[in-house]
Amino acid sequence: SQTIHQWPATLVQPVGSPLSLECTVEGTSNPNLYWYRQAAGRGLQLLFYSVGIGQISSEVPQNLSASRPQDRQFILSSKKLLLSDSGFYLCAWDRDRGSSPLHFGNGTRLTVT
Amino acid sequence: KNEVEQSPQNLTAQEGEFITINCSYSVGISALHWLQQHPGGGIVSLFMLSSGKKKHGRLIATINIQEKHSSLHITASHPRDSAVYICAVLVEVGMRFGAGTRLTVKP
Repeated sequence: SQTIHQWPATLVQPVGSPLSLECTVEGTSNPNLYWYRQAAGRGLQLLFYSVGIGQISSEVPQNLSASRPQDRQFILSSKKLLLSDSGFYLCAWDRDRGSSPLHFGNGTRLTVT
Repeated sequence: KNEVEQSPQNLTAQEGEFITINCSYSVGISALHWLQQHPGGGIVSLFMLSSGKKKHGRLIATINIQEKHSSLHITASHPRDSAVYICAVLVEVGMRFGAGTRLTVKP
């Protein structure tokens, strides 16, 4: 069966510090991978998606970047965190965009202080 | 105006009641997801629809592509159904999300 792992579950980082959130998927190959953010009191927002190794598309230009160094690994990074980067970050995957379900990780709650 | 509008924003029901959550969108889509987010933050995909109707247990989701509208129904609601329900549409590039409907089912 397929599973998705996301870590850490919670993170408190000072402004200006770097960020690295990791997501891995097991039990499938060549998944579409997604990073979402949910800011406090706001809806979900798609940040990045990837259809293959090294292929990253950005929905919203911002202080964050994403990389996919391996087929089932998706990393969200920042060189210098801002207060506005605080939020709940979710990784997700699906098989065929538009014709298969989305599977979400448990999320990382990031607080930038 | 948001591209994806959900109603109501908040909904309180008594256990056993029939519940409907609505989603209207203004963009062309290839599919629509209904998501459930529990208080801890975890999200589960309930349905993905591109036409017609789907049923899973006590949950039913419908979509009318011509009217750009989808509904999520919960029959015989239960306190464990309490969660935020989010409508998300798949557009040509990326996804657009509704603001969510917070459902509370009281015993």
